Amino acid sequence: GQNIDQPTEMTATEGAIVQINCTYQTSGFNGLFWYQQHAGEAPTFLSYNVLDGLEEKGRFSSFLSRSKGYSYLLLKELQMKDSASYLCAVLDSNYQLIWGAGTKLIIKP
Amino acid sequence: GAVVSQHPSRVICKSGTSVKIECRSLDFQATTMFWYRQFPKQSLMLMATSNEGSKATYEQGVEKDKFLINHASLTLSTLTVTSAHPEDSSFYICSAGGAGDYNEQFFGPGTRLTVL
Repeated sequence: GQNIDQPTEMTATEGAIVQINCTYQTSGFNGLFWYQQHAGEAPTFLSYNVLDGLEEKGRFSSFLSRSKGYSYLLLKELQMKDSASYLCAVLDSNYQLIWGAGTKLIIKP
Repeated sequence: GAVVSQHPSRVICKSGTSVKIECRSLDFQATTMFWYRQFPKQSLMLMATSNEGSKATYEQGVEKDKFLINHASLTLSTLTVTSAHPEDSSFYICSAGGAGDYNEQFFGPGTRLTVL
């Protein structure tokens, strides 16, 4: 079966750095997405990785290792508004998006 | 980025009634739209994939006669929850693909359905 694992919840301090991990086992791979979802709102696109390595976009970076079936989302200089759920999703060989359960990130002052 | 609207944002209805939710891509044509359901503190659950001009593809366990999907044009898809019951209360979200650099999905703001 297809499976995506990410921690259920993480807590970090304002101004700090946090890394949210995602591991996956899917039938094929055509890219990995990270989305941010604030409570009661729809997800918004953060990043896309299809090749190994680090993609940096402002305070957010996303890393992928296809051989390890592993990705992480790195958030720097945390702000209170970063409190949200972060969803990892993988596009499988049929171009179907497989979603993780999401990681709820709590930022404390 | 591409904009997807969803209407209504919130609806409360009595058990047994039908509710229609509209999803529109405002500034791009979406050949494929997706309908998700999300229960509190859970991840997105794909209900169906909707292609313009053809029948929707439903995920296993989703009743196609209960959740009617119509994708009449390249900018509009509708989800009708027929004979709604309290267990259908959920957050329904649509998304559309095809407008981004990575074929990412752009999500509507969601519809909170409460069935009394």
